[in-house]
Amino acid sequence: QMQLVESGGGLVKPGGSLRLSCAASGFRFTDYYMSWIRQAPGKGLEWVAYITNTGSPIDYADDVKGRFTISRDNAKKSLYLQMSSLRAEDTAVYYCARGGAPVGYWGHGTLVTVSS
Amino acid sequence: DVQMTQSPSTLSASVGDRVTITCRASQSIDTWLAWYQQKPGKAPKLLIYKASSLENGVPSRFSGSGSGTAFTLTISSVQPGDFATYYCQQYKSYSPLPFGPGTKVDIK
Repeated sequence: QMQLVESGGGLVKPGGSLRLSCAASGFRFTDYYMSWIRQAPGKGLEWVAYITNTGSPIDYADDVKGRFTISRDNAKKSLYLQMSSLRAEDTAVYYCARGGAPVGYWGHGTLVTVSS
Repeated sequence: DVQMTQSPSTLSASVGDRVTITCRASQSIDTWLAWYQQKPGKAPKLLIYKASSLENGVPSRFSGSGSGTAFTLTISSVQPGDFATYYCQQYKSYSPLPFGPGTKVDIK
């Protein structure tokens, strides 16, 4: 059974850092691009970053470029998002997603709250 | 960058109604467009890809059409489980991969 399970969300102060993880199972992880997509409370979907199945190339939304780093460990079937210099506007549910686009499968999301 | 718009932002419908949602791209994306459905508190679900191809398991009352810059998602007869928010996403260009702002379909 296909699963994407995010972890690592929580409350962090502005300017702080956080690392999200996503554990994949039930499909051949190395066959797929992977993405992070976020949704601020009461708002729409915002694409954050994607990474190819080999780890390169990678791309980011302008809002997070230079602050966020997407990576993957194919041996561990895991996707990561290292977030630094966090701002209040980064507060959102962060979804791990299978694919660049279209996204065929989504995790349940992990909430990141940036607040003092 | 390609930008996506959707109309209307909110749509009220009754069970059995035919519903049409429009998505527009700021430049041609051929048919590289996907539609997603999201219910409150849940992750989105892929409905349609390549503008008109139905994802496995999605009921046939959902259909997509369009090419270039104008696209539509149609629900031929809205069912109770279809009240949700719908998003389009372009993927002709992977840099970036924007979603439309969403269309909420609620009960009249």
